Amino acid sequence: EAQVTQNPRYLITVTGKKLTVTCSQNMNHEYMSWYRQDPGLGLRQIYYSMNVEVTDKGDVPEGYKVSRKEKRNFPLILESPSPNQTSLYFCASGRTGGGEKLFFGSGTQLSVL
Amino acid sequence: AQSVTQPDIHITVSEGASLELRCNYSYGATPYLFWYVQSPGQGLQLLLKYFSGDTLVQGIKGFEAEFKRSQSSFNLRKPSVHWSDAAEYFCAVVGKGATNKLIFGTGTLLAVQP
Repeated sequence: EAQVTQNPRYLITVTGKKLTVTCSQNMNHEYMSWYRQDPGLGLRQIYYSMNVEVTDKGDVPEGYKVSRKEKRNFPLILESPSPNQTSLYFCASGRTGGGEKLFFGSGTQLSVL
Repeated sequence: AQSVTQPDIHITVSEGASLELRCNYSYGATPYLFWYVQSPGQGLQLLLKYFSGDTLVQGIKGFEAEFKRSQSSFNLRKPSVHWSDAAEYFCAVVGKGATNKLIFGTGTLLAVQP
């Protein structure tokens, strides 16, 4: 089954404790992206990757890091989380970019205390 | 700057009634246009998309959308709403030369009453 898998679904952490949210897709997609969803703001792009070893900033990259060492995986790293990063996070993948149909993971609800 | 506006934050319709969700965009040229749906606790699912050609596009689950260049709009419609359509709906645009950047509207939350 074609899918984007994010883990964990829920995460509660404390300020400053490094964390990683994993994202994996099984569709051999070149494009992957991370979004955060906040009430009244919709989805905003954090980082995206057009292919392996190619990543770039989206609209709200501050406080986040990503890596794309393999085509299937695109982890989101918060080196020192802060409360303003409490949000619902989505990973997405597509064949070539946002102009194609994107497949979304089920989301990760992060709370930073 | 490119932007997408969904003026209705929350809409309630009765089951069986028709539905129209509004979307306006601001872009230098005609972008690619999308509607995504987010069911509770789920990720987003593509309902339909417009690239070019016929301005009325059909999607999944009985939805359709009409692109109106003169109004910079891409409104989503359904003739008869089912209770299972209760969800949040997002309009999105991406530039034809910038497909790395999909811009979402703020979403419209649809409630369906019996």
